[in-house]
Amino acid sequence: DAGVIQSPRHEVTEMGQEVTLRCKPISGHDYLFWYRQTMMRGLELLIYFNNNVPIDDSGMPEDRFSAKMPNASFSTLKIQPSEPRDSAVYFCASSFGTGFAIQYFGAGTRLSVL
Amino acid sequence: DAKTTQPNSMESNEEEPVHLPCNHSTISGTDYIHWYRQLPSQGPEYVIHGLTSNVNNRMASLAIAEDRKSSTLILHRATLRDAAVYYCILSDSAGGTSYGKLTFGQGTILTVHP
Repeated sequence: DAGVIQSPRHEVTEMGQEVTLRCKPISGHDYLFWYRQTMMRGLELLIYFNNNVPIDDSGMPEDRFSAKMPNASFSTLKIQPSEPRDSAVYFCASSFGTGFAIQYFGAGTRLSVL
Repeated sequence: DAKTTQPNSMESNEEEPVHLPCNHSTISGTDYIHWYRQLPSQGPEYVIHGLTSNVNNRMASLAIAEDRKSSTLILHRATLRDAAVYYCILSDSAGGTSYGKLTFGQGTILTVHP
């Protein structure tokens, strides 16, 4: 398997624009996680899905952020409208099961909002 | 959520063993101890995990104190490729509010000298 695939790897946009980040989890994995990493706050869990259903979105910073998982092989994280403080590296991870299951991370999307 | 405490940074010489400590005095009986590491410009990657007994795999060993209030990640022979941020994380396997979540702290920055 190619691992967790995220696109794009880099995104530069202007404040107020809509940004969509994409993730393809490892085939067969039933959990998908979205994280955000900044220097100030470190690595934070934003939301996670089980069998395409959002389970916990308590980490989503505000209503400008939304995440969907229309099927088992695809998820999106959307920011609308984007703000400079959204600049960060966004990681997607997937696992088979949870509790103590290993999470496999993608390479991340580096987002810069000007 | 149970918290972990790690030193901010550690240094090692190449081909020497490295012992990375982690304190988790509020660990519950169902919390697994996970170690992940993040190499520069990459997503986190799984290293090892355990519950009560010491664990070994091809990457490292995990030594867990008898009272489970601390653990040590052991890299038997550090290489330059092991330079990374190492995260010690507790994950609830019993279905509590932190079930399945990985809450990343600041981790330990490991520097390996040639």
